[in-house]
Amino acid sequence: NAGVTQTPKFRVLKTGQSMTLLCAQDMNHEYMYWYRQDPGMGLRLIHYSVGEGTTAKGEVPDGYNVSRLKKQNFLLGLESAAPSQTSVYFCASSFSRNTGELFFGEGSRLTVL
Amino acid sequence: GQSLEQPSEVTAVEGAIVQINCTYQTSGFYGLSWYQQHDGGAPTFLSYNALDGLEETGRFSSFLSRSDSYGYLLLQELQMKDSASYFCAVRDTRGSTLGRLYFGRGTQLTVWP
Repeated sequence: NAGVTQTPKFRVLKTGQSMTLLCAQDMNHEYMYWYRQDPGMGLRLIHYSVGEGTTAKGEVPDGYNVSRLKKQNFLLGLESAAPSQTSVYFCASSFSRNTGELFFGEGSRLTVL
Repeated sequence: GQSLEQPSEVTAVEGAIVQINCTYQTSGFYGLSWYQQHDGGAPTFLSYNALDGLEETGRFSSFLSRSDSYGYLLLQELQMKDSASYFCAVRDTRGSTLGRLYFGRGTQLTVWP
């Protein structure tokens, strides 16, 4: 029972570098989400997807791009990393929009120097 | 827009009862969820209220009043392992932003022996 798996779990980048975070879920969920968590800020929605091939912006989408080419995968990309993007990134999934239950991955800790 | 307010910190002793409040302002409301997070790990789902009233799950209960835009999480017979951050979250139901789940900033619960 893998649930939601995020890779990598830790990464250090230099300003201006690019990277992609991968989220994979094995529960056949339609909805997938990327959140970032910063001290005292709670979880803020970056982008989300309501199904394969569809994505939408969340609260803090600037500087990030996403893709959902396969139902089980949701990728979060940083084209030109900035120190302000130092954060813990959580991926989550849910079966439908009518549920309050999200299943979260363990998080990816990103530091941008 | 959406806003959720919850206390930043709560402390209690083992065996006690603690209530964590959450007030929200949303353009569309579908239900109120509660999540627990230990030491920056993966948030885990605790409860969901779509209708007014009290939902009980073991030592934890959650309450919702839609007319007051208010809910709370009640933790009984506190144990040391309940020390964690607790987040309330609401789902947006508007057409243009359907599927978004917004989180409060979290309440850090410390349980003392």
